[in-house]
Amino acid sequence: DGGITQSPKYLFRKEGQNVTLSCEQNLNHDAMYWYRQDPGQGLRLIYYSQIVNDFQKGDIAEGYSVSREKKESFPLTVTSAQKNPTAFYLCASSINDRSFGNTIYFGEGSWLTVV
Amino acid sequence: GDSVTQMEGPVTLSEEAFLTINCTYTATGYPSLFWYVQYPGEGLQLLLKATKADDKGSNKGFEATYRKETTSFHLEKGSVQVSDSAVYFCALSNNFNKFYFGSGTKLNVKP
Repeated sequence: DGGITQSPKYLFRKEGQNVTLSCEQNLNHDAMYWYRQDPGQGLRLIYYSQIVNDFQKGDIAEGYSVSREKKESFPLTVTSAQKNPTAFYLCASSINDRSFGNTIYFGEGSWLTVV
Repeated sequence: GDSVTQMEGPVTLSEEAFLTINCTYTATGYPSLFWYVQYPGEGLQLLLKATKADDKGSNKGFEATYRKETTSFHLEKGSVQVSDSAVYFCALSNNFNKFYFGSGTKLNVKP
């Protein structure tokens, strides 16, 4: 089935560790995104990528890093520099359809908890 | 800059009540407008969209009409069910592949 797959669903990080969240899409979308969502809150953009080998910082990029080596994949690394990483992380991708405009689609999310 | 403002929640309704969640936007040009729904512990799912003025998006009994004169895209449903309990996000896209989301409105439907 076509879609966006995030893994793992639940991840625990120890203080000082880097962890990487995986995001894969088979929708042939050019653009991909990472958002952070804190409990009961809205979405905040961490990074986005419009095309392979290119990405831009969003509103809260400090303490995070990404890569976009393949069109299908956009992994997010939460580094030890991110002091409060406990949150729900959402990966998304979008298509720009000249007839119907651009639409963004989301994965199921990954929960990261610091222990 | 572009932005979306939606009514704060939570909104609590009894089953079969009428639902309205207000959404207004600020944007240059002619943005596409969206409603997404998020169930607990899950990602956002596209509920409906509209791409030009006076378009009506609809899905699963939900409707929203793109009103350019009032810069609004209010979500409505004639008769809510307990299964509609979720958080609803209004969003817009103006420039290529840039999206702006409201803060979300939590809907609680009681039996």
